[in-house]
Amino acid sequence: DTGVSQDPRHKITKRGQNVTFRCDPISEHNRLYWYRQTLGQGPEFLTYFQNEAQLEKSRLLSDRFSAERPKGSFSTLEIQRTEQGDSAMYLCASRVSGRGDTQYFGPGTRLTVL
Amino acid sequence: AQTVTQSQPEMSVQEAETVTLSCTYDTSESDYYLFWYKQPPSRQMILVIRQEAYKQQNATENRFSVNFQKAAKSFSLKISDSQLGDAAMYFCAQRGSQGNLIFGKGTKLSVKP
Repeated sequence: DTGVSQDPRHKITKRGQNVTFRCDPISEHNRLYWYRQTLGQGPEFLTYFQNEAQLEKSRLLSDRFSAERPKGSFSTLEIQRTEQGDSAMYLCASRVSGRGDTQYFGPGTRLTVL
Repeated sequence: AQTVTQSQPEMSVQEAETVTLSCTYDTSESDYYLFWYKQPPSRQMILVIRQEAYKQQNATENRFSVNFQKAAKSFSLKISDSQLGDAAMYFCAQRGSQGNLIFGKGTKLSVKP
């Protein structure tokens, strides 16, 4: 069990650029969640996958955001035409469905939009 | 709507002493889970303790225990024999309808040597 990993850990970009983050969940976990955490706040739910299917999207996930989980393994979160308001920590978490509710978090990707 | 409220933005405790962090929540679910997560500075979030609502017994994990008051929708965390490594942001959370977590705003805990 190597834990949840995320790449990159930090990303600085200019407004209007596209960015993509990757999350590798714990291998046997079929559920994968994305959260966004801004300074001084708790994480807020963005979207989640069960295997390769994206089952729910929060209203926080604007049209500029897209997430994928091909083959039910790793997941990517892409933000197009970044805005300064997108600056935040993006957290990924995974768990096994039907076997308790404990989610295991990755270290996060800190995005700074200049 | 499901909500989680942490009314203490910051707390401080002397090393080896006991501190209690407060949390209230709202839900219309009959079966639900509550959690406390710890987020050390620049490090990832880890689970401290969890409580299943149908269990009346308060959860305990070593120095960490909860006071779960279901009728009052209160879920406080008690840390006994506080250690320097306990310094972190602590988030109270409940399970949402999609299995996601709904977090409070957090309490920053400082531990004084």
